[in-house]
Amino acid sequence: KAGVTQTPRYLIKTRGQQVTLSCSPISGHRSVSWYQQTPGQGLQFLFEYFSETQRNKGNFPGRFSGRQFSNSRSEMNVSTLELGDSALYLCASRDTGKGNEKLFFGSGTQLSVL
Amino acid sequence: GNSVTQMEGPVTLSEEAFLTINCTYTATGYPSLFWYVQYPGEGLQLLLKATKADDKGSNKGFEATYRKETTSFHLEKGSVQVSDSAVYFCALSEDGTGGFKTIFGAGTRLFVKA
Repeated sequence: KAGVTQTPRYLIKTRGQQVTLSCSPISGHRSVSWYQQTPGQGLQFLFEYFSETQRNKGNFPGRFSGRQFSNSRSEMNVSTLELGDSALYLCASRDTGKGNEKLFFGSGTQLSVL
Repeated sequence: GNSVTQMEGPVTLSEEAFLTINCTYTATGYPSLFWYVQYPGEGLQLLLKATKADDKGSNKGFEATYRKETTSFHLEKGSVQVSDSAVYFCALSEDGTGGFKTIFGAGTRLFVKA
């Protein structure tokens, strides 16, 4: 089985722009979670999607949004980028069918805001 | 809310030394506990887990025991190798009416010298 795929791998944007990140989960996994990783804050939970519905959300401003499609692929959008949004954004999928709590992570999208 | 605290790094050891990375948690109920590892340029991958008190998770020579009385889940390895150099994250999962979420500690970077 192919792993979790995130695109693009690297992104450079300027303040005020918006960005869309993509995540394709492992085939059959219906849950997708997003995390922001920074050296100072570690991994911060953004949100979780399951069957196209956002089930849980972390403490991030409304500029951070996401969605999930019927094939379980997910996108995350950040509008009006700020310098502090520079981070590694990680996507993780989970096989909820077995009540499994194990997360499978992609390699991440490294976002740099200039 | 639930939280995870782990020892700050970096930790620098010589090959074949004994490793301990401390992790404590705060949680309502009885969450599952995990250790994830992140190698350079990659996403996180599950190293081991324990789902109830007194369970011992183990993998690749690493082990950790779920201690409810001390709310701890310390990671240990008897003899580290250079290839163990990575960032280690302690985590707990919660799955209730609010949806599923895994909460991570800040991560501990391990350097192993030959």
